[in-house]
Amino acid sequence: DIQMTQSPSSLSASVGDRVTITCRASQNIRTYLNWYQQKPQKAPKVLMYAAASLQSGVPSRFSGSASGTNFTLTISSLQPEDFATYFCQQSYRTPFTFGPGTKVEI
Amino acid sequence: EVQLMESGGALVKPGRSLRLSCTGSGFTFADYAVNWFRQAPGKGLEWVGFVRNKAYGGTTVYAASVKDRFSFSRDDSKSIVYLQMNSLKTEDTAVYYCAREGLADVVFDYWGQGTLVTVSS
Repeated sequence: DIQMTQSPSSLSASVGDRVTITCRASQNIRTYLNWYQQKPQKAPKVLMYAAASLQSGVPSRFSGSASGTNFTLTISSLQPEDFATYFCQQSYRTPFTFGPGTKVEI
Repeated sequence: EVQLMESGGALVKPGRSLRLSCTGSGFTFADYAVNWFRQAPGKGLEWVGFVRNKAYGGTTVYAASVKDRFSFSRDDSKSIVYLQMNSLKTEDTAVYYCAREGLADVVFDYWGQGTLVTVSS
């Protein structure tokens, strides 16, 4: 199975901050990498797909990039509604696997 | 508006069976693969498996942790996918989500709200 790791596991930030979350795959997954946001007691919501494509309806302050097996999600200016947990997920091969999550806290 | 809704979650004893439903609306359900995920309390997300659309034979793929115990079926006339769970174990306790898989990319673009399955004696 492809293992996904994320760092940091949690971070504290303020409104307006630039936030970067990193995800690493245990093997080459090309750009088959998606990012999801999850708030407590809610289903995940897709933010980015194919590493760098913004899902329709998602604010442009979210962006993604890829370099080899390393991927980043950047929030350019953190907003109050962005405090949540973020997961990366590889869709290169089954079983589709997720990173352990990064909790963004105030 | 695209919507997915899971139902059927319950408290069940180990070794018993349970069937969950995932009902879609607001889109042509038959055109899409449907994936299932689960999230144990306070834990991360785990992919359970998927059922393809009929154009791809309605084939199914399962995670190793549920293979031979769980199965999917779909009734496109009712826009429903079923998750049949047999021989349930305490470690199957989780919120179960269904999600639509995108047509062009393997991304889960719409999710249901989840249904809780608790396996306990």
